[in-house]
Amino acid sequence: QSALTQPPSASGSPGQSVTISCTGTSSDVGGYNYVSWYQHHPGKAPKLLIYAVSKRPSGVPDRFSGSKSGNTASLTVSGLQADDEADYYCSSYAGSTNLGVFGGGTKLTVL
Amino acid sequence: EVQLVESGGGWVQPGGSLRLSCAASGFTVSTNYMSWVRQAPGKGLEWVSVIYSGGSTYYADSVKGRFTISRDNSKNTLYLQMNSLTAEDTALYYCARGYYGSGSYSDAFDIWGQGTMVIVSS
Repeated sequence: QSALTQPPSASGSPGQSVTISCTGTSSDVGGYNYVSWYQHHPGKAPKLLIYAVSKRPSGVPDRFSGSKSGNTASLTVSGLQADDEADYYCSSYAGSTNLGVFGGGTKLTVL
Repeated sequence: EVQLVESGGGWVQPGGSLRLSCAASGFTVSTNYMSWVRQAPGKGLEWVSVIYSGGSTYYADSVKGRFTISRDNSKNTLYLQMNSLTAEDTALYYCARGYYGSGSYSDAFDIWGQGTMVIVSS
């Protein structure tokens, strides 16, 4: 399985919104509604932000939202805060005989 | 408190073996799907292996035939046996618990440990 494609970096000023894309194929992102997003501060455990394309686990602020169109999923972070500066990874189910596949990660910088 | 604590990492020579452990508290490993994920220095996250509650296991192509995921229900612990290690296996290894969003399988993971570092070098 090839990694999903994410932009290596993204940035925005406090209060602004930023969208991170995650492009796969019809065998992963486009074929299933099992896309999840993780926030990873270096040295800490990854945190689940979004599951099943657009659902938020309890405790995740509604500033984080997810969507999908075709083979591309997106994570939008609204009302950027300094603590949002982290690496963000998408992941997708890739069929019953495969492990999931991660994106390469996007480093979000809050200017 | 629901948490995962990994252990067993360290330095090993190429061709060697290590067994990683992931002790769970606050929930039952055997009734959840569990995974190992690794992050090589300067690289992104990579799925290594997953075990489902029914016992089915899956592996990344890069570790198939060398790594084995298992669990000990009496100890509520997840394991990763790693054999024939190479420099490419050098990474921080995380264990993670599968998430049943709204009571349904989600293919996502909500509880992660802090990781245990594996260094393969001569």
